[in-house]
Amino acid sequence: EPEVTQTPSHQVTQMGQEVILRCVPISNHLYFYWYRQILGQKVEFLVSFYNNEISEKSEIFDDQFSVERPDGSNFTLKIRSTKLEDSAMYFCASKQGAYEQYFGPGTRLTVT
Amino acid sequence: DQQVKQNSPSLSVQEGRISILNCDYTNSMFDYFLWYKKYPAEGPTFLISISSIKDKNEDGRFTVFLNKSAKHLSLHIVPSQPGDSAVYFCAASVKTSGSRLTFGEGTQLTVNP
Repeated sequence: EPEVTQTPSHQVTQMGQEVILRCVPISNHLYFYWYRQILGQKVEFLVSFYNNEISEKSEIFDDQFSVERPDGSNFTLKIRSTKLEDSAMYFCASKQGAYEQYFGPGTRLTVT
Repeated sequence: DQQVKQNSPSLSVQEGRISILNCDYTNSMFDYFLWYKKYPAEGPTFLISISSIKDKNEDGRFTVFLNKSAKHLSLHIVPSQPGDSAVYFCAASVKTSGSRLTFGEGTQLTVNP
């Protein structure tokens, strides 16, 4: 069964450093998403991406964040200058045309 | 963001009995609702969904009920199995193709053998 994959599974970085989180969505999916879950809190929407552009973003997704689909398979989330409060699980999701989003296993980002 | 709320952080049931997980929402624009299951160190796994034009959707042991007037939905699992022990998230969206999911806090279900 096709699945969303994410790398790395755990990323440790120092405050102020740039990180790139990578995702490979399911191959025939057209809509791509990033969510995050800070420990003990809800899963929160960050951004959606369709047709090579951002279709929606939340108030969390400020200028420090960017997304890219550099080729036909990868979907990346870049945080330019990480803060302590960026520490969270980051989930990538994708879907085709129906409403069910399929999630990857997540990347645990720890900012020290 | 309190648009989707799961008031019970945990639920414990005996194997073979029914598990009922509840979810309330406030945004009347939501018209599509989903349940996800999550194990530790894994991403949410889609379980079942329901459109606002229906009041019930069933898939095997899982049934979702939607009460639009009360802005309430529930997930019934029957019979419950120990492997069902996980965190269950309710999520809601607006019926556009690319729309975001808004999640509840999650309910930890424990099914005891």
